Amino acid sequence: DAGVIQSPRHEVTEMGQEVTLRCKPISGHNSLFWYRQTMMRGLELLIYFNNNVPIDDSGMPEDRFSAKMPNASFSTLKIQPSEPRDSAVYFCASSRGAQGRAQHFGDGTRLSIL
Amino acid sequence: GESVGLHLPTLSVQEGDNSIINCAYSNSASDYFIWYKQESGKGPQFIIDIRSNMDKRQGQRVTVLLNKTVKHLSLQIAATQPGDSAVYFCAENRGRGDYKLSFGAGTTVTVRA
Repeated sequence: DAGVIQSPRHEVTEMGQEVTLRCKPISGHNSLFWYRQTMMRGLELLIYFNNNVPIDDSGMPEDRFSAKMPNASFSTLKIQPSEPRDSAVYFCASSRGAQGRAQHFGDGTRLSIL
Repeated sequence: GESVGLHLPTLSVQEGDNSIINCAYSNSASDYFIWYKQESGKGPQFIIDIRSNMDKRQGQRVTVLLNKTVKHLSLQIAATQPGDSAVYFCAENRGRGDYKLSFGAGTTVTVRA
């Protein structure tokens, strides 16, 4: 089975530009999570979708961040405008259900904002 | 200058020896626990999980032990191999409708040849 697929794997862009990260969850999984990982703060949950509906976006740092899940097989995380402090590795994870279920992670997008 | 950030516990182990990685969790209401392995440049990879109605669970070369009395979780890796070098995270879920996984800071395991 294919795992969680994220694209791009690496993104380098200049401050102020729009960045869009993409995620394809595992087929049959109905919960999707976006995380950010930095050395300073470790893994932080940004937003959680269940059945394509955003349930909790309290981890989204600012209004510059937005996420969508138009269907069960695709989600995007957008940063507009981007800032250097957004530089991090962004992970998408999915699970079958959410409570008491293992989340399966993609290999992340390493984002560098210059 | 001094670097500031998460200071991860480290474990250095000789190839072929057994490894034990420990984790203290915070919430006595947590009822589901997972161990993840993260290699450089990759996402966290599921290793093994355990529910709070169990004390021990075994997988291939790995065993997870849960001590609810002292809120402690451990991962044992038998016959450690070079490919086991990675950062290992424990995560807890508090159940009762809570979807969030709370991750520990991680332990860096280095296998010596």
